Parts: sequence; C-alpha cells; structure tokens
Amino acid sequence: DIVLTQSPGTLSLSPGEGATLSCRASQSVTNTYISWFQQKPGQPPRLLIYGASSRAPGIPSRFSASGSGTDFTLTVSSVEPEDFAVYFCHQNGRLPWTYGQGTRLDI
Amino acid sequence: QITLKESGPSLVKPTQTLTLTCTFSGFSLDSEGVAVGWIRQPPGKALEFLAMIYWDDDKRYSPALKTRLAITKDTPKNQVVLTMANVDPVDTSTYYCALGSSPFHYTFHIWGQGTVVTVSS
Repeated sequence: DIVLTQSPGTLSLSPGEGATLSCRASQSVTNTYISWFQQKPGQPPRLLIYGASSRAPGIPSRFSASGSGTDFTLTVSSVEPEDFAVYFCHQNGRLPWTYGQGTRLDI
Repeated sequence: QITLKESGPSLVKPTQTLTLTCTFSGFSLDSEGVAVGWIRQPPGKALEFLAMIYWDDDKRYSPALKTRLAITKDTPKNQVVLTMANVDPVDTSTYYCALGSSPFHYTFHIWGQGTVVTVSS
C-alpha cells in the first residue's frame, strides 16, 4: 500500500500568515493522481486540488500545490479565518487508494 | 446542481450485512467518464476508500475489504448501492458516497453529507 505521511500534524497560525503543508508518499505517485482535501468538523471533505496542482472549481487562488514523485506540498498564501480546518492528501493512482492522516490548521 | 445523499441503517449488529444507498442527481452514471464511490471515516480518523463503480460497470475495491464488499448501480433510479458483509464494531464510521469523473482524474470531487453507521450488539 502507498502510505501518505503528512506533516506537521498540527500547524498553528494567525490569519494572514502563510501555511505550507507536506505530504510524503512511501512510493512514487504519478502527479495525475494526487489531490488535496479540506475538511471542517461535521462536514464532508471538499476537494481543493487535483492532478497535484490544479485548483478545483471555486477554490480561491490563495490555495496552490506542487510536487512530484514522493513529495507534495499544499500552500496557503495568506490564511483566512475560514481556512482553519483539517487538510488531507490523497492518491488514487494505485489500489488501495489512500489518504494521509491529515494536518490540522489551527488558529 | 449535483448532489449525492447516503441512506441506510444507523445501527447494525455484528455479523450482519450493511446495505447503503447513494441517491444522486445532476448527472447520469451512464455518461462516459463518470463514477461513484464510497469512502468511510471512523471517528477522529483518516478517510478510507472502499469501492468505486464506473459508467461502464467497471469496479474497483479496496483489496483489504474486497471479499466483504459489493457495489452495484441502478442507473434509471440514479442510485449506487454498497453492501458490506459480516460487519464488526471496527466498521463503525461515517460513510460517504462521492462523484468521481475523468476531468478530475477520478478523484472524488463532489461528496454527500455522509451517514453515520454504528456496529454494536
């Protein structure tokens, strides 16, 4: 199985600061099959990024992502109050499709 | 507008079979490049992919759960059904259905609100 390890586990920031979230895969993953999700308490995940770097419809431009092979990054250029949530990376390139354990972005 | 909604029992006894239904609108599962899948999330834990069914009836399953899962579609009813046999308390989770499609490389880009299932005697 491809294990996705996210770091840090928790990131404590103030609104206006930048955030960098990391996702490391235990095996190389084709960029096409890397995505990032945001989840708030009591809500389903929301797709932010697909294909490693493409923003999903309606996602603000402050969210960007990059990476290749085994190392992927989600960046929030200037965190807004509504961005405090848990963020998951995901690979659907090789079964079993897997998710990271999440990074919590805290105020 | 695309929506998906999960339905099924909130409480299931160990060893029973769990049947969950995803009813969707705003798209057709006989359109090329469309798929619907199931994902679950135990309380406070990470997401886990379960199964996916494509417009052409191709299916993908989590290898770890493959022997217990079956996914089917009823295109006229706009429904996808997931059955999970021989449930155990570790299967207690929120179960989500979600839409995947080829422009998004079949990652799940629209999700239902989820349904909470507890396995307990």
